[in-house]
Amino acid sequence: DSGVTQTPKHLITATGQRVTLRCSPRSGDLSVYWYQQSLDQGLQFLIHYYNGEERAKGNILERFSAQQFPDLHSELNLSSLELGDSALYFCASSGTTDTQYFGPGTRLTVL
Amino acid sequence: AQSVTQLGSHVSVSEGALVLLRCNYSSSVPPYLFWYVQYPNQGLQLLLKYTSAATLVKGINGFEAEFKKSETSFHLTKPSAHMSDAAEYFCAVSEGGRDDKIIFGKGTRLHILP
Repeated sequence: DSGVTQTPKHLITATGQRVTLRCSPRSGDLSVYWYQQSLDQGLQFLIHYYNGEERAKGNILERFSAQQFPDLHSELNLSSLELGDSALYFCASSGTTDTQYFGPGTRLTVL
Repeated sequence: AQSVTQLGSHVSVSEGALVLLRCNYSSSVPPYLFWYVQYPNQGLQLLLKYTSAATLVKGINGFEAEFKKSETSFHLTKPSAHMSDAAEYFCAVSEGGRDDKIIFGKGTRLHILP
């Protein structure tokens, strides 16, 4: 158990819909990262937040957004969903070391 | 720009045999390098990491990796494979610092033959 929690574990929705994925980092970790894992693209970095502020953006679509709240949990919002958005979405957190600890992921299926 | 190349999307070894998973990286600055393992239907677990200290890094479950700057490689090894090692392994690089994003390789699925 990495100490990072993600909800929900599975999410099934329809094209055009909007969903919110939630991540709680390990206790004391200020950084949260979001990654997308799909069969064709592999594991891709989406976005990084540090103590509530956006630090870096990767291959994140404009339809996707994220935020980190004062209690340090983070949410990833995916809107106008397309079939190709079906993937595993991981969040990871890090603290004072160089190690990112990954959550168990949310499997999103868009029908 | 950083990148990681994992040679072989699938590797099969017999139980008890040496495990060797290959990884080459590209980075414009001294890199931080990682190996993660992903078991079916689970998240990623850190096996080991290199952050510019000793070039031979020992990780969990008997795995180790050696950083070779001249070869830009960070291959993962284990002397004797166990059935429980069957999983997908990801090599990853970051340009250092605890706030940096990680760039992952495409992964190598390790199969253990009885």
